[in-house]
Amino acid sequence: QSVLTQPPSASGTPGQRVTISCSGSSSNIGSNTVNWYQQLPGTAPKLLIYSNNQRPSGVPDRFSGSKSGTSASLAISGLQSEDEADYYCAAWDDSLNAHYVFGTGTKVTVL
Amino acid sequence: QVQLVQSGAEVKKPGSSVKVSCKASGGTFSSYTISWVRQAPGQGLEWMGRIIPILGIANYAQKFQGRVTITADKSTSTAYMELSSLRSEDTAVYYCARDRGLLGFDPWGQGTLVTVSS
Repeated sequence: QSVLTQPPSASGTPGQRVTISCSGSSSNIGSNTVNWYQQLPGTAPKLLIYSNNQRPSGVPDRFSGSKSGTSASLAISGLQSEDEADYYCAAWDDSLNAHYVFGTGTKVTVL
Repeated sequence: QVQLVQSGAEVKKPGSSVKVSCKASGGTFSSYTISWVRQAPGQGLEWMGRIIPILGIANYAQKFQGRVTITADKSTSTAYMELSSLRSEDTAVYYCARDRGLLGFDPWGQGTLVTVSS
C-alpha cells in the first residue's frame, strides 16, 4: 500500500493555481528526491517532475515542484483543461530493501 | 528516444501464472534498469520490482517476494515480468518503465491488462 499521502482531489477554474501536497517520512522523502507523474484518463503515467523540481523536456513551465523535509508539493499555475488528470508523487524508500513508493494519488478537476 | 512496447492483454484463471513482456527500442537496453508497476482498476500505482539487464540482478517489493520474477533478455532487448499463483486481486494493468533511479521512471510502456477470473 501507498506510504506517501496525498489529498484525493483538487480542483480549480481555468487560469487558477492548484497545489497538491505529498507527505512522507524520513526513509523516503526525507532521504531521497521526489518525482511526480501525471496520468491522463486511460493512458500510462508520464514523468512530470523529477529530482524535486526539474521538468523533463516538453513539460510546460506552469508545472513546478518543491520539497521540504518529509513533504513535497506540486503546483500547477495557469490551470488548463488538459491538466485534468491524476497526479502521483513518488520516491525511493530506504527502509529494509530499497523500494519505490507512490503517493495515494490526487484527481485534479478543471471546473 | 527509448520506447517500450508491451505484450497484449491476458485473461488467466486463479492459481495460474502470467508472463508480460516489455520490448525496448532506442538507447542501449543493457545499460538501463527496467521497473514494473501495476495499477488495479480505479486504484493507485504500486511498484513491483526492477531489473538491471547488464547485471541480470532483480529486486522485488516485499509484497511480491516469492510470487514475482523479473528477467531480461539482452539479445532481444526485452524484459519480462512473471507473476504466479494469481488471484482475483491481481487483476490490474501492468506497466514497465525505464527506471532512472532518483531521476524517475521515463518512459513507460503502454500497459498490459491482466484479468484473473474463473
